[in-house]
Amino acid sequence: EAGVAQSPRYKIIEKRQSVAFWCNPISGHATLYWYQQILGQGPKLLIQFQNNGVVDDSQLPKDRFSAERLKGVDSTLKIQPAKLEDSAVYLCASSSRWGGGNTIYFGEGSWLTVV
Amino acid sequence: QQPVQSPQAVILREGEDAVINCSSSKALYSVHWYRQKHGEAPVFLMILLKGGEQKGHEKISASFNEKKQQSSLYLTASQLSYSGTYFCGTENAAGNKLTFGGGTRVLVKP
Repeated sequence: EAGVAQSPRYKIIEKRQSVAFWCNPISGHATLYWYQQILGQGPKLLIQFQNNGVVDDSQLPKDRFSAERLKGVDSTLKIQPAKLEDSAVYLCASSSRWGGGNTIYFGEGSWLTVV
Repeated sequence: QQPVQSPQAVILREGEDAVINCSSSKALYSVHWYRQKHGEAPVFLMILLKGGEQKGHEKISASFNEKKQQSSLYLTASQLSYSGTYFCGTENAAGNKLTFGGGTRVLVKP
């Protein structure tokens, strides 16, 4: 079974530029998550989708971050304009359904460096 | 609210045991444990559900005290492959939000 796919793996941009990350979850998984992991810290949830609807985006900096999951399958996370503090690994994850002790499977992440 | 993990780091010799603790201030539905090696994705180890059900790795053991909102992960007879950062994730009482702790770095030396 294929895992969670993410691209690009690495990206270096200058501050105030924009960047987009793509994620394809495990086939059949209804729930998709985007996490931000700053070096040395645990993953922090940015946004959670159930099919193509947002169920939690309380920690998403909406003035610069946006995410969509059209057709309820793959998803894109965009940052515009980027700040230095956005340097982090952006982890996409998926689970078969939302909550209730379901296992979340992570992709390998997209490493962003903002200079 | 982010769970608190302890210790922050531990160094072991191969074959030694260690315990990693995860504590929350709120009632929980479940506790999830993951291990992450540098530059890689977090890998699922185990879920402990309220009521005592466990799902996960046969060689990893853990406990969940629902009344105290605490979980412990037991690394027994550690192997070099156990090195990495261990994260606990606590799921709120409603079972709809998972929040990760800051991690415990484990280094197993020969």
